[in-house]
Order: sequence, then structure tokens, then C-alpha cells
Amino acid sequence: AQSVTQPDIHITVSEGASLELRCNYSYGATPYLFWYVQSPGQGLQLLLKYFSGDTLVQGIKGFEAEFKRSQSSFNLRKPSVHWSDAAEYFCAANTGGFKTIFGAGTRLFVKA
Amino acid sequence: ETGVTQTPRHLVMGMTNKKSLKCEQHLGHNAMYWYKQSAKKPLELMFVYSLEERVENNSVPSRFSPECPNSSHLFLHLHTLQPEDSALYLCASSQSGGRDYGYTFGSGTRLTVV
Repeated sequence: AQSVTQPDIHITVSEGASLELRCNYSYGATPYLFWYVQSPGQGLQLLLKYFSGDTLVQGIKGFEAEFKRSQSSFNLRKPSVHWSDAAEYFCAANTGGFKTIFGAGTRLFVKA
Repeated sequence: ETGVTQTPRHLVMGMTNKKSLKCEQHLGHNAMYWYKQSAKKPLELMFVYSLEERVENNSVPSRFSPECPNSSHLFLHLHTLQPEDSALYLCASSQSGGRDYGYTFGSGTRLTVV
């Protein structure tokens, strides 16, 4: 079955430290892959997306993600986390059609 | 006004009430979605409309009834809900299936059923 897995329910990092959020997908072919962020009381905002080409994609707010076909992964990274990055992050996949499947989310806590 | 707007932001309703959630997009998108977000659960796709036709209906109880009168507006009519229906209901829109540009989400309606 098609699925998106985010192994970490929550992660805590210190402000200024680097961040990596993990995402694995299970599909027959490479899907379109997305990362979204959700601040408390808000909807989801698209950070970046990947389908083909350069496996390292840049997004908004200083985020980037790397696609690794061999590991079926699409991990999100940021070199230096700011307190305002505290939020919930969702990885998602779409193989065409109208169904995008979301992971369960990873909540990021940032400590001073 | 731009983006996706959902009203109301908060709603408390009794199990015998009838209410409606409204979603409006001014992005020129041709697909609109309802998602349910419950605590500690992945987002659940409820309904999808493309060009005002329903294209997805993911085994949602009949107490939830969607309506898409035009490509800019989407409603979710609620009646005789259960406490477990309390959740954040998110509306989203996209161009076609959202594969190329992703979704634009509204801020959601926080629904509490008492």
C-alpha cells in the first residue's frame, strides 16, 4: 500500500543548531514529494517539492530537502534553526490524480 | 482577498444541531478539498471536487455532506455529529490534482461537538 512515514513524532533542537526531519515513502514509482509546515492554529503551508531533476531542492524559510531513491527518503534539513521554526512538519506524496497522502507529522520544539 | 479563507474559525455544536463550514478560494484553482485533522492522526482526506464535480469520497459518514456550487466555494454541511467528529477541518485548493504546485490550505475550522 502507498504510504508516507515520518519516524519521529517530535524532535527538540537548540536554536542555531542544524535540523533534519526524516521522511520515507512507499510507492511503486517515484511520487511527487512535498514538505509542509503547520504553525499552531493555522493551516499547512508548502515549504518545497520534488519530482525530478536535482535531488537537492531548496524551499522557503531556508529549508532544503534531499531525495534519495535508494533509501526511498526525502529528508528535510535546515542548517540553523530559529525559534520561529517551532511547528509541525508534514511530508506528503502524490502520484497523480487528486489524492495526496500525508505523513503523521513531526513536531519540532526549539529550545533557547 | 487572496488565498483560502475558512469560516467560522471555531464552532461548538450540539449533537442534534445542523451547521455548515464554508471555504472560499481566490486563487483561480480548479480543485478543492476537505481534510479532517484529529490529534495524533494523519490528515484524512474527506472529499475532493474538481471543476465542481466530486471526484473522491473516502468512506465519510453521511452526517457530513459536501457542496461545491462553483469553483471558488466549498461547503461542508454537518448534522447529527458525534463527539469523535471534533477536530480541525481543513480546506485546501490546487490547480488540477496539486501534483505540480502542491496545495494551498486555509487556516481551518476548529469544531467541537458537545
